[in-house]
Amino acid sequence: DVKVTQSSRYLVKRTGEKVFLECVQDMDHENMFWYRQDPGLGLRLIYFSYDVKMKEKGDIPEGYSVSREKKERFSLILESASTNQTSMYLCASSLQGVRYGYTFGSGTRLTVV
Amino acid sequence: GENVEQHPSTLSVQEGDSAVIKCTYSDSASNYFPWYKQELGKRPQLIIDIRSNVGEKKDQRIAVTLNKTAKHFSLHITETQPEDSAVYFCAAIMNYGGSQGNLIFGKGTKLSVKP
Repeated sequence: DVKVTQSSRYLVKRTGEKVFLECVQDMDHENMFWYRQDPGLGLRLIYFSYDVKMKEKGDIPEGYSVSREKKERFSLILESASTNQTSMYLCASSLQGVRYGYTFGSGTRLTVV
Repeated sequence: GENVEQHPSTLSVQEGDSAVIKCTYSDSASNYFPWYKQELGKRPQLIIDIRSNVGEKKDQRIAVTLNKTAKHFSLHITETQPEDSAVYFCAAIMNYGGSQGNLIFGKGTKLSVKP
């Protein structure tokens, strides 16, 4: 069974802090994604990666960066957290190609105060 | 880029009735359409998907139909049960280039099944 693990379930950070959200998958998937989920807005793509060292901006990359140094790990970085980044963050992974579904992690509920 | 519209945003049905959720997409090159179910406090999970070479797919009480000409696809749940209550997301592939693409999600439908 594919497992996508996000390091924290709940996180509270102060405005201006640098925040790291970690995601690890154990099924050798090439593709990894970070989404943000907000009520009424659905799932919005922040960044994605198709390979180690590769990263591309999604629909809402402003205020975020990512790192993929190893195939199994994809980190989302909030350079300077702001209150409007309070949200649920979901990591996902998939096999390479356009015809495969995603497996999601359990999510990290981030609150920026 | 791809845009996915999903309707309705909320849906309330009586147990045993059918539920239908509809989505439209904009990119005619999209060829993969999954549906995810997210129960309260849990991760989205794939429940059914359809590829562009078929018009309908069924799995027990769940079915998905695809009309490529009209660029819309629908989720049908028959004989609904209280455990079907969840938020459902449709998605379509936005092709990135070569063999790669990203899922673009609809905004979700909150389904409530009343006993």
